[in-house]
Amino acid sequence: NAGVMQNPRHLVRRRGQEARLRCSPMKGHSHVYWYRQLPEEGLKFMVYLQKENIIDESGMPKERFSAEFPKEGPSILRIQQVVRGDSAAYFCASSPDESSYNEQFFGPGTRLTVL
Amino acid sequence: DQQVKQNSPSLSVQEGRISILNCDYTNSMFDYFLWYKKYPAEGPTFLISISSIKDKNEDGRFTVFLNKSAKHLSLHIVPSQPGDSAVYFCAAPGGGSNYKLTFGKGTLLTVNP
Repeated sequence: NAGVMQNPRHLVRRRGQEARLRCSPMKGHSHVYWYRQLPEEGLKFMVYLQKENIIDESGMPKERFSAEFPKEGPSILRIQQVVRGDSAAYFCASSPDESSYNEQFFGPGTRLTVL
Repeated sequence: DQQVKQNSPSLSVQEGRISILNCDYTNSMFDYFLWYKKYPAEGPTFLISISSIKDKNEDGRFTVFLNKSAKHLSLHIVPSQPGDSAVYFCAAPGGGSNYKLTFGKGTLLTVNP
């Protein structure tokens, strides 16, 4: 039973380029969460999605960031026109439902570096 | 506003001794707390949790204590093993949800053989 998959594991972009981060939840999980960890900080909630729906995007920056979880395929976190401050580790988590506190399973993360 | 605080960036203990990791919180609405363990190049993995209706929860070598009046919780690992060396995060669901986890900055535990 594969865990949460994220790719790429490392992504380097130049300022102004676009970054696309992908997350495949665990089998049977229909809830996906994205978190960002800036250097020397804890993880911070960004967005919660179910298939084809954004449930809570209260942690997403208002500009340049978007997320989707289509009916088929992985969840995508998209960052347009990246800036150096976007350099961070982005973690995806999944759960079978949203009712249990401790059932968010995390992927290994994508480390984004903006040059 | 950092609602979950881990004031010790690092802790070093000898194998076989007790490790005590501390966490303070400011939001009195938090009613559930979790500890996650994270190895380098991996995502956090759930370790142990505690509800605010309890003051202690134990799972093998791991025990979490909650002091609601002090808004403080601690994770005890005894006996500590070299494989316990990792970053430990304290977290709590907040923002009126049970999924929006608020994490502390983490404490790097090093257990020396």
